[in-house]
Amino acid sequence: GENVEQHPSTLSVQEGDSAVIKCTYSDSASNYFPWYKQELGKRPQLIIDIRSNVGEKKDQRIAVTLNKTAKHFSLHITETQPEDSAVYFCAAPSVIKAAGNKLTFGGGTRVLVKP
Amino acid sequence: EAGVAQSPRYKIIEKRQSVAFWCNPISGHATLYWYQQILGQGPKLLIQFQNNGVVDDSQLPKDRFSAERLKGVDSTLKIQPAKLEDSAVYLCASSRQGRYGNTEAFFGQGTRLTVV
Repeated sequence: GENVEQHPSTLSVQEGDSAVIKCTYSDSASNYFPWYKQELGKRPQLIIDIRSNVGEKKDQRIAVTLNKTAKHFSLHITETQPEDSAVYFCAAPSVIKAAGNKLTFGGGTRVLVKP
Repeated sequence: EAGVAQSPRYKIIEKRQSVAFWCNPISGHATLYWYQQILGQGPKLLIQFQNNGVVDDSQLPKDRFSAERLKGVDSTLKIQPAKLEDSAVYLCASSRQGRYGNTEAFFGQGTRLTVV
C-alpha cells in the first residue's frame, strides 16, 4: 500500500515569509496529489491538487510542485498571512485494482504564522 | 452543492459501550470514506466504499468496528465494544472518484467521540 511521509511536523514562520511543506510517497502508480488545510475544530478542505502529468501548479499564493522520479511533492505558501495558520495534510492514492484509488494522508504539518 | 452530512457531532460513551455514526455523502458521489483522526495526527482510512461495495477495509479493526452502505448512499460506522483508544474524530468523506482517476474528496464536519 501507499506510504506518505510529511515534513516538517510543525513550522513557524514570520508573516510575509514563505512556508514549504514536503511529502514523499511510495506508490509509483500514484497520479493525483491533493493538499488539504484543516483549521482548528474544522473539517479538512482541499486547497490545491496536482496530477502526475504536470510538474507545477499555482493558485495565487499557493503552489504545488511534483517530482515523480523522486516521488515527492511540495506545498509552497508565499507571503504568509495569519489566516494561513492551520494544519496542512498532503495525500496520495494507491491503486486498488479497478475499483478506484485509496487516498492515504500524511501526518500533517502545523503551520503557525506569527504577526 | 450540499456538503457531506454527519451525525452526531459529539458523543461521549463509557468503554465497552457501543456507538454508531451516520454519514450522508454528496449526491452522486460513488465513493465514500470513513477516516479516524486522532488528535494531532493525520486522517487514517478505516474503510472505503465504491457504491455499496467495500474496496478497502485493511485498517478497520474488524473485531470491534463495522460499517455498511446498503443502498450505495448513506453509511453507518459502528463500534462495539468501544475502547479508550477509540477516542478520536471520525470523518466521513465522499468523492466522484471513478475507476481511472481521483477527484476531490469532500469531508463532513466529523463526529468527535470521547470514550471514558
